[in-house]
Amino acid sequence: NAGVTQTPKFQVLKTGQSMTLQCAQDMNHEYMSWYRQDPGMGLRLIHYSVGAGITDQGEVPNGYNVSRSTTEDFPLRLLSAAPSQTSVYFCASRPGGVGGTEAFFGQGTRLTVV
Amino acid sequence: AQTVTQSQPEMSVQEAETVTLSCTYDTSESDYYLFWYKQPPSRQMILVIRQEAYKQQNATENRFSVNFQKAAKSFSLKISDSQLGDAAMYFCAYRSAWNTGNQFYFGTGTSLTVIP
Repeated sequence: NAGVTQTPKFQVLKTGQSMTLQCAQDMNHEYMSWYRQDPGMGLRLIHYSVGAGITDQGEVPNGYNVSRSTTEDFPLRLLSAAPSQTSVYFCASRPGGVGGTEAFFGQGTRLTVV
Repeated sequence: AQTVTQSQPEMSVQEAETVTLSCTYDTSESDYYLFWYKQPPSRQMILVIRQEAYKQQNATENRFSVNFQKAAKSFSLKISDSQLGDAAMYFCAYRSAWNTGNQFYFGTGTSLTVIP
């Protein structure tokens, strides 16, 4: 069972570069989201999607874009990387609806912007 | 927005002993879900236990149990018979029962050390 797969696991970018963090899930989950984890701040929501073609902003969306063309994939794009975007990024998914299911997480991407 | 507070940045426990991690939250909603996630050094986020707010009975999963006090908005995690593999960062999380998105609100985490 692959679950939620994130690539790459590690990345170093120069300021101003762009890149895409990939996220794929094979559980047919409707809901997908991206979080960033910073020391002392827990996980904060960047963007989320409630289904293919539908995305919305979370708590810290600036500097990031997302799209959801399929149920399986939810890539996160950094448009022009800044040192403030150095963080660990997590993709998560869960089934649709308002039930009490937990979020299933990928293994994270450690991004360093120099 | 809801807030989740973990006031203990670090905790330690002797192997085989019991430890309690604290979590409080702020919400005006009556229906919601609470979670404890474990994050070992591998970075993987692993669900430890889940509690539905409408249930008065505290959730238990083997050595892990919670003390859910709805009126006090408190959700503590008790780990019994602590093992070396329990050493990790623990995050408390909240999700509304009526939020159709995937908006989990996380605390800042408690780093648990298990002493052999």
